[in-house]
Amino acid sequence: SVLTQPPSVSGAPGQRVTISCTGSSSNIGAGYDVHWYQQLPGTAPKLLIFGDTNRPSGVPDRFSGSKSGTSASLAISGLQAEDEADYYCQSYDSRLPGPVFGGGTKLTVL
Amino acid sequence: QLLLQEPGPGLVKPSETLSLSCVVSDGSISSGSYYWAWIRQPPGEGLEWIGTIYYTGSTYYNPSLKSRVIISVDTSKNQVSLRLTSVTATDTAVYYCARQRYQLPNSFDPWGRGTLATVSS
Repeated sequence: SVLTQPPSVSGAPGQRVTISCTGSSSNIGAGYDVHWYQQLPGTAPKLLIFGDTNRPSGVPDRFSGSKSGTSASLAISGLQAEDEADYYCQSYDSRLPGPVFGGGTKLTVL
Repeated sequence: QLLLQEPGPGLVKPSETLSLSCVVSDGSISSGSYYWAWIRQPPGEGLEWIGTIYYTGSTYYNPSLKSRVIISVDTSKNQVSLRLTSVTATDTAVYYCARQRYQLPNSFDPWGRGTLATVSS
């Protein structure tokens, strides 16, 4: 994938975890927006964070996004069992050109 | 609430054409505020952008699929369609349609439920 994510992360209920998304100068580093999606088992992806740091209506403030240089991160605080899902970052790549996704990160709540 | 539905054929034979439609309910495809995109996900794998269309018919395709993809829009039916020609087993995936904001930040939201297309003889 053009954007690199760790394959998996885990944490205990109540803990805080972060998921990284590493790109390059043709995507995140060029200033293009980063979006994050949550995909619960057997369902379609759902928008979680848009425009680097913004939460759509209805998304708990336990979820937060940040971006610096060629990387972005999704932080989830106060982990809950229902957060167990796959998470994908997405940006735009000028070399493609077009939208690109990270490979996805599976979050396990211990 | 916007609803995207992608009823599909399910099984497609190798070398044939996969055809899918996405019906947009409770929202006009011609609003001008959105693009409409197709994204796919092979079983157990990540997401891949296929292409995007505006209600005017302007299209943008993933270069890796461009030679085999046609995305079209029918404003009278409020639907967008995907045709993928000369399919092989590697095209087996869940295909999603999604709305994409015309203005930045242009994230994908919402997504349809997705339809599994299996390429097999």
